[in-house]
Amino acid sequence: AQSVSQHNHHVILSEAASLELGCNYSYGGTVNLFWYVQYPGQHLQLLLKYFSGDPLVKGIKGFEAEFIKSKFSFNLRKPSVQWSDTAEYFCAVNAQVNTGKLIFGQGTTLQVKP
Amino acid sequence: EAQVTQNPRYLITVTGKKLTVTCSQNMNHEYMSWYRQDPGLGLRQIYYSMNVEVTDKGDVPEGYKVSRKEKRNFPLILESPSPNQTSLYFCASSFIRDQPQHFGDGTRLSIL
Repeated sequence: AQSVSQHNHHVILSEAASLELGCNYSYGGTVNLFWYVQYPGQHLQLLLKYFSGDPLVKGIKGFEAEFIKSKFSFNLRKPSVQWSDTAEYFCAVNAQVNTGKLIFGQGTTLQVKP
Repeated sequence: EAQVTQNPRYLITVTGKKLTVTCSQNMNHEYMSWYRQDPGLGLRQIYYSMNVEVTDKGDVPEGYKVSRKEKRNFPLILESPSPNQTSLYFCASSFIRDQPQHFGDGTRLSIL
C-alpha cells in the first residue's frame, strides 16, 4: 500500500536555527508532492508543491523542499526559523496523478523557542 | 472571497444519532474531499469526488457516506455515529489539474 512517512514527530528549535523535516513515500510511479502547514487552531495551508521540473522548489515564508527521486524523499528545509513557524507540518503525496487521492504523513510538530 | 465553508464547526452528539456535516466551496472546483485528522495519524482521506455525481472511497470510508448532487456542495453523512468517529474533520477542494487543495476550517465532532 502507498504510504508517506515523516520521521520527526516533534521538533524543538531555537529561533534562527536551521530546519529540515524528512518525508519519504512508497510509490515508484509519477507523483505530485506537497507540504502543508497547520498553525494552531487553523486549517491546512499549502507551503509548496512539486509536480515536475526543477527538483528544488521554493514555497512561501522562506521554505523550500528538494525532491530526490532515487530516495523517494521530499524533505522540507528553512535556513533560519522564526517563532511564528511554530505549527504542524504535513507532507502529502498524490501517487495517482489526476485522481485526487492524497495520502498524508503523520505530521511533524515544530516548536520554535524565542 | 474564495473559501471552503464547513458547518457545524463543533458538534457533540450521541452514538447512533444520524448527523450531516456540510461543506460548500465558491471556487467552482470540480474536486472535493473529506479527511479526518487524528493525533499521530495525520490526515486520512475518507471520500473524494472528482465531479458532480462522481464519488470514490478514500482510505477510511467505513461508517461514512457522501453525495455530490451539486458542484459546490459535498456533505459528509454519518448514518449511525460511533465513538471511534470522534475526530477533527476537514473538507477540501481544488481544480483537478491544480492539485493543491483549499481546506475548510474544520469540524470537531465528539460522539459520546
